[in-house]
Amino acid sequence: NAGVTQTPKFQVLKTGQSMTLQCAQDMNHNSMYWYRQDPGMGLRLIYYSASEGTTDKGEVPNGYNVSRLNKREFSLRLESAAPSQTSVYFCASPDPGREQFFGPGTRLTVL
Amino acid sequence: SQKIEQNSEALNIQEGKTATLTCNYTNYSPAYLQWYRQDPGRGPVFLLLIRENEKEKRKERLKVTFDTTLKQSLFHITASQPADSATYLCALARPISGNTPLVFGKGTRLSVIA
Repeated sequence: NAGVTQTPKFQVLKTGQSMTLQCAQDMNHNSMYWYRQDPGMGLRLIYYSASEGTTDKGEVPNGYNVSRLNKREFSLRLESAAPSQTSVYFCASPDPGREQFFGPGTRLTVL
Repeated sequence: SQKIEQNSEALNIQEGKTATLTCNYTNYSPAYLQWYRQDPGRGPVFLLLIRENEKEKRKERLKVTFDTTLKQSLFHITASQPADSATYLCALARPISGNTPLVFGKGTRLSVIA
């Protein structure tokens, strides 16, 4: 039982390049979330998926797209990366009314 | 929208003392409130959950209180140890939370000095 896994752990992109961050959970949870964490800003919600087949914008969705591929997987795509998207990205999946499980994070640098 | 303030960005205390961290919120009262620990380079890890009808929750050396009148939660670590050094985040769930994501505070970085 791995919980929430994310790939890659680290990534360096040039401005304008695209990439997809992958997230998977093996807890059979309905919901999955993507956050970014920046110094002094805390965790900010980018997009979330309350159930398979649905996605909704969070606090900071601009420049990102998501896909809820199936119940296990929720990916985050940067179509044209910008330096402002340099951040640490966390995927999370809650046990409703209980704890939220986080992945180990992806550290992204956009040059 | 809900605003959350964790009283200080950083807190230094001596080993053996009790650390007290504060989480204040505005607007609606949450259905429940959670506290997480985050170590450098890692994702947050759940510590405790307290519901709106509970005043206090304990787990080993950890204690959380919830005062809906003051709109405040206090998080205490008794007999603190250097291993308790980390960033602590509070998070709130909306009154009808369902699948609505938690709202997180910015965190307080605790350093326990030996």
